[in-house]
Amino acid sequence: TQLLEQSPQFLSIQEGENLTVYCNSSSVFSSLQWYRQEPGEGPVLLVTVVTGGEVKKLKRLTFQFGDARKDSSLHITAAQPGDTGLYLCAGDWTGTYKYIFGTGTRLKVLA
Amino acid sequence: EAQVTQNPRYLITVTGKKLTVTCSQNMNHEYMSWYRQDPGLGLRQIYYSMNVEVTDKGDVPEGYKVSRKEKRNFPLILESPSPNQTSLYFCASSSGDQPQHFGDGTRLSIL
Repeated sequence: TQLLEQSPQFLSIQEGENLTVYCNSSSVFSSLQWYRQEPGEGPVLLVTVVTGGEVKKLKRLTFQFGDARKDSSLHITAAQPGDTGLYLCAGDWTGTYKYIFGTGTRLKVLA
Repeated sequence: EAQVTQNPRYLITVTGKKLTVTCSQNMNHEYMSWYRQDPGLGLRQIYYSMNVEVTDKGDVPEGYKVSRKEKRNFPLILESPSPNQTSLYFCASSSGDQPQHFGDGTRLSIL
């Protein structure tokens, strides 16, 4: 079974701080997705990255796909309490319809 | 409203008593999938379906069955549930290269 490892597993920071979450694998993926999950709900897609080295921005969130398409990072600038949640990365391979999810990073931003 | 609906949302049952978790989507998506989410393990894919009458195993299919008789429905069947199947289950659907839409989850407790 392919494995996607996320780090850190837990992160508690003060409002206004910056943070980075990492997603690493030994596998090469066709694309990689980042999701955020709130308690009692399913994951909601934040972004999909497809090209090695690709950088995408979503307001204060910056996503990067590694050059070799094996890893990704999520950077949050000036975190807000509303950013609190479980962040999940997921990788897939074109044409297989199989998805591998990371173990998750639980973020808590304190006001 | 586009949505993936799972039922029941919560279920407490006993070992060996057959149960079915239903999943229905109203977006005419070809692809549907079942995941289980456990602490420290992230989401793991159980089964997926690329279209009607086409299903395939994910990473953790043991103890589960699925069927895809209609495009909108993808029930998950536990013929003889065991305590190690206590988990939070999510159904998801998508089409083409569109992102997966997740249901709100079903929390199963098997005593």
